[in-house]
Amino acid sequence: EADIYQTPRYLVIGTGKKITLECSQTMGHDKMYWYQQDPGMELHLIHYSYGVNSTEKGDLSSESTVSRIRTEHFPLTLESARPSHTSQYLCASSLGTRRQETQYFGPGTRLLVL
Amino acid sequence: ILNVEQSPQSLHVQEGDSTNFTCSFPSSNFYALHWYRWETAKSPEALFVMTLNGDEKKKGRISATLNTKEGYSYLYIKGSQPEDSATYLCALPSSNDYKLSFGAGTTVTVRA
Repeated sequence: EADIYQTPRYLVIGTGKKITLECSQTMGHDKMYWYQQDPGMELHLIHYSYGVNSTEKGDLSSESTVSRIRTEHFPLTLESARPSHTSQYLCASSLGTRRQETQYFGPGTRLLVL
Repeated sequence: ILNVEQSPQSLHVQEGDSTNFTCSFPSSNFYALHWYRWETAKSPEALFVMTLNGDEKKKGRISATLNTKEGYSYLYIKGSQPEDSATYLCALPSSNDYKLSFGAGTTVTVRA
């Protein structure tokens, strides 16, 4: 079983609040990813990191930001939450230099912005 | 971003019956294909990584085949059980990166 954790699992919050979704992995993986998924839709990559102090925006534009100060930690922040941010957010990590390497996923955070 | 399509979007299967569903992808610049199983309230779990045309992988009652020339992969569940109920995701890396493009998934519900 993969050792990748996300907190909180569920979050209901009011518009305008600042939120941080936590993601940690204990596998020493260099690559980490954040995906966003709406019901019935694909997982869309919103941020990724290939190492400490390296972050990139993904294929889906997002108002969130990320940081990678430590290998094991990849938090996602929304400075001012809006109802349009309501979604499920999944964190993943992988190791290695081959593109067929498996990504290991956390259990996700379901965010509801009122 | 790769265009990855999965069909059907959902299906209901009687316990004990077998079923299969499809992942379609661009056949050019193929590198690898991942199948994941995602049960409700759990993390997506890797099932298979497939890289060679004609590959067939098996894990218990679940198997998958790959045709890179025509751009599709089938996933089969033999003798479905309630614990097979999940969303099955297909994903492919881009031609020059580690990023994965996902299909929308096929949600399987096995009725006892």
